[in-house]
Amino acid sequence: KNEVEQSPQNLTAQEGEFITINCSYSVGISALHWLQQHPGGGIVSLFMLSSGKKKHGRLIATINIQEKHSSLHITASHPRDSAVYICAAPFGNEKLTFGTGTRLTIIP
Amino acid sequence: DAGVIQSPRHEVTEMGQEVTLRCKPISGHDYLFWYRQTMMRGLELLIYFNNNVPIDDSGMPEDRFSAKMPNASFSTLKIQPSEPRDSAVYFCASSFALTSFPQYFGPGTRLTVL
Repeated sequence: KNEVEQSPQNLTAQEGEFITINCSYSVGISALHWLQQHPGGGIVSLFMLSSGKKKHGRLIATINIQEKHSSLHITASHPRDSAVYICAAPFGNEKLTFGTGTRLTIIP
Repeated sequence: DAGVIQSPRHEVTEMGQEVTLRCKPISGHDYLFWYRQTMMRGLELLIYFNNNVPIDDSGMPEDRFSAKMPNASFSTLKIQPSEPRDSAVYFCASSFALTSFPQYFGPGTRLTVL
């Protein structure tokens, strides 16, 4: 069965902390997507990566194809990073399968 | 480009009524996706189009749901008749590709069926 699992489901941290959100998937894929959903509901695509690491500002995404695992890191976290982070994977030639999301809350 | 445009942003209706949600994708994108998001089930793909043709509607919950894309710049998702369990946020997204390119989401339509 094609599955995408995220952990933790909820994460609360103090401003400035280093954040890690994990995503595991069940079978080999071509690329993995990370999305951010703001408290207001809007969804934004953060990264799409098929190997190695990508960085955008304080956000870093890594993927290990052999271990079927990806992580999203946030350095020097800020309250405006509070959001739901969702990973998604395409299995075969099919559409994206989404994880259930990680709700991140950064406390000032 | 203005991004993906959805209307209405909020819709409140009574059970049994017809509901039509609208979407304008980003110009040049060949793929259009309709998603539903609920607390219980998260983000689910309902249907997607490629070059205005419906490719996979296996996520459409039942015959009460239908979607059309009459041209490259417009799509509709219709629910008839609506039921309270259809209450959710419905997102439209578009992209250059099925999975190998990022998807750009609209702001969503929050539907409440009383």
